[in-house]
Amino acid sequence: EDQVTQSPEALRLQEGESSSLNCSYTVSGLRGLFWYRQDPGKGPEFLFTLYSAGEEKEKERLKATLTKKESFLHITAPKPEDSATYLCAVQNSGYALNFGKGTSLLVTP
Amino acid sequence: EAQVTQNPRYLITVTGKKLTVTCSQNMNHEYMSWYRQDPGLGLRQIYYSMNVEVTDKGDVPEGYKVSRKEKRNFPLILESPSPNQTSLYFCASSFGTTDNEQFFGPGTRLTVL
Repeated sequence: EDQVTQSPEALRLQEGESSSLNCSYTVSGLRGLFWYRQDPGKGPEFLFTLYSAGEEKEKERLKATLTKKESFLHITAPKPEDSATYLCAVQNSGYALNFGKGTSLLVTP
Repeated sequence: EAQVTQNPRYLITVTGKKLTVTCSQNMNHEYMSWYRQDPGLGLRQIYYSMNVEVTDKGDVPEGYKVSRKEKRNFPLILESPSPNQTSLYFCASSFGTTDNEQFFGPGTRLTVL
């Protein structure tokens, strides 16, 4: 059975204090690993897709990396507007998607 | 404007009264999916569809039905709702089955009394 575990559950950072969120996974036949951002009361918003170990993608202050067992979302010099819940998901060989429970990030001024 | 729409946004109903939550996308996407989100359990996939007339079960399909008769629509049907189906429901769509830049709808908050 596919499993996605995100850590930490919650993270509080000061503005400018860089950190990383972790997503460890087990999946039968990885088609892709995805990162989403979710603001309170809204649907998730797509950030990145990673397909194979060693792949990296960047967007503004965010950088996602992938190994065979885990993915990291690095946040460099975060701002208060980066506060949100970050979700990781994996897609298996059968096209189903399995989400982790998310990391709730709070960035204070 | 490219979007996924869901209706209704809020619904309070009683046990056993059949209901349908509609989902529609205007992006000609092939892949559509339904999720429920519960505190402490995260986002869980209910059903997904890779194209018209092609649907498959996700992690938590019990008590739900779906159909995909047209590419743009993917309704979620609860034939006999129960209180444990009280949740926040999201519909999502993406162009392909693997690029998975999914666009999510605004959510439907369902309460079953």
